[in-house]
Amino acid sequence: GAVVSQHPSRVICKSGTSVKIECRSLDFQATTMFWYRQFPKKSLMLMATSNEGSKATYEQGVEKDKFLINHASLTLSTLTVTSAHPEDSSFYICSARGLAGGVVSYFGPGTRLTVT
Amino acid sequence: GENVEQHPSTLSVQEGDSAVIKCTYSDSASNYFPWYKQELGKGPQLIIDIRSNVGEKKDQRIAVTLNKTAKHFSLHITETQPEDSAVYFCAASTRGQNFVFGPGTRLSVLP
Repeated sequence: GAVVSQHPSRVICKSGTSVKIECRSLDFQATTMFWYRQFPKKSLMLMATSNEGSKATYEQGVEKDKFLINHASLTLSTLTVTSAHPEDSSFYICSARGLAGGVVSYFGPGTRLTVT
Repeated sequence: GENVEQHPSTLSVQEGDSAVIKCTYSDSASNYFPWYKQELGKGPQLIIDIRSNVGEKKDQRIAVTLNKTAKHFSLHITETQPEDSAVYFCAASTRGQNFVFGPGTRLSVLP
């Protein structure tokens, strides 16, 4: 299957700082990327959908000013957690969907964020 | 909106036995149903998918069946191995729309 990478895999930051997570599609062009959050032993919760070159669409209850998403190219999307708090600690996962019309999504390996 | 239920939440089988996980969905417009395997600390990995114009799909030890009338689909794993132990998620989506995931099934294959 297609390869999606995330960087970093783990990050620890202090409260009040910002953290950027990168999601890259390595062997295909992704017109759409999705960002999920996953709590321990829970399912994936969609945070936002981003299309290359346009503003992200956020799910209800997700603060767009806190979770900044940029999808500047067909192979890169970034999620920036601004002014992080301990409750933002979680496993963040991106997925990427191919060119327009595709339905298959491939997931990245996830990023474990710990806010102290 | 779409709602996906998944059963059982946990499943233990002996190595070599079969495992079956069932999902139901609510939106009759959903037409794509992937299954993902997630190992601890890793991202979900697509293992098999099925589209609404197909009733069954098989890939080696893994198969998925879809009943559009009843709005349910199932994952079948035969000859289970310890490395099949993981959390499995089903999902449903309408072409071009976001996935709605089931709550997951923790499969344990006992040696």
